[in-house]
Amino acid sequence: QVQVVQSGAEVKKPGSSVKVSCKASGGSFSGYTISWVRQAPGQGLEWMGRIIPIIARANYAEKFQGRVTITADKSTSTSYMELTRLTSEDTAVYYCVRGVVETAMSRYFDLWGRGTPVTVAS
Amino acid sequence: QPVLTQPPSVSGAPGQRVTISCTGSSSNMGAGYDVHWYQQLPGRAPKLLIYGDKNRPSGVPDRFSGSRSGTAASLAITGLQAEDDADYYCQSYDSSLSGLYVFGTGTKVTVL
Repeated sequence: QVQVVQSGAEVKKPGSSVKVSCKASGGSFSGYTISWVRQAPGQGLEWMGRIIPIIARANYAEKFQGRVTITADKSTSTSYMELTRLTSEDTAVYYCVRGVVETAMSRYFDLWGRGTPVTVAS
Repeated sequence: QPVLTQPPSVSGAPGQRVTISCTGSSSNMGAGYDVHWYQQLPGRAPKLLIYGDKNRPSGVPDRFSGSRSGTAASLAITGLQAEDDADYYCQSYDSSLSGLYVFGTGTKVTVL
């Protein structure tokens, strides 16, 4: 059974960058997309961007354009999310999520990682 | 970034039926994109609950059901149980430039 295994918690200074990883354990991401979703303390879910590993094409939410980079390594079934110019508002749990494109009109997330807490504080 | 609108909270006694609404717009649900639902237990990652408007993944009890009409969708929980006490989010795809995937604002279900 495939699991999404994420890297551990991070503590960062304002203005710095963070790079979080996730790996498909027990399988691969082949045939799926990988999205990154974050959740600030006590808040809802926020989609940041996604990558289609097979063609290495990434798309980002307008809010994060220019500040986030999502990559994928097909050989190791690993995805990375790097977020730059961190502020305290980036303090959140970051989830790596496997995306299903069932049809052009039906796209959802069927497998979630446990999340990586990122704290931005001076 | 576009969002889907949900009520902040709903509550019910064990055994009762509760419904959660999810309202979208012409760039997501109104454009024909399906709605999907996730359950987030306290301190846990979200889990897929309903996909394709009304389909349940294997292992999800049939107490949970979904429906959609135009820009409005709903999740119903019948025979409410203590373990249903959680946050619920709807999600759809969006054709605007702001972002591809949109989530609902989230609804806290409290079992009284």
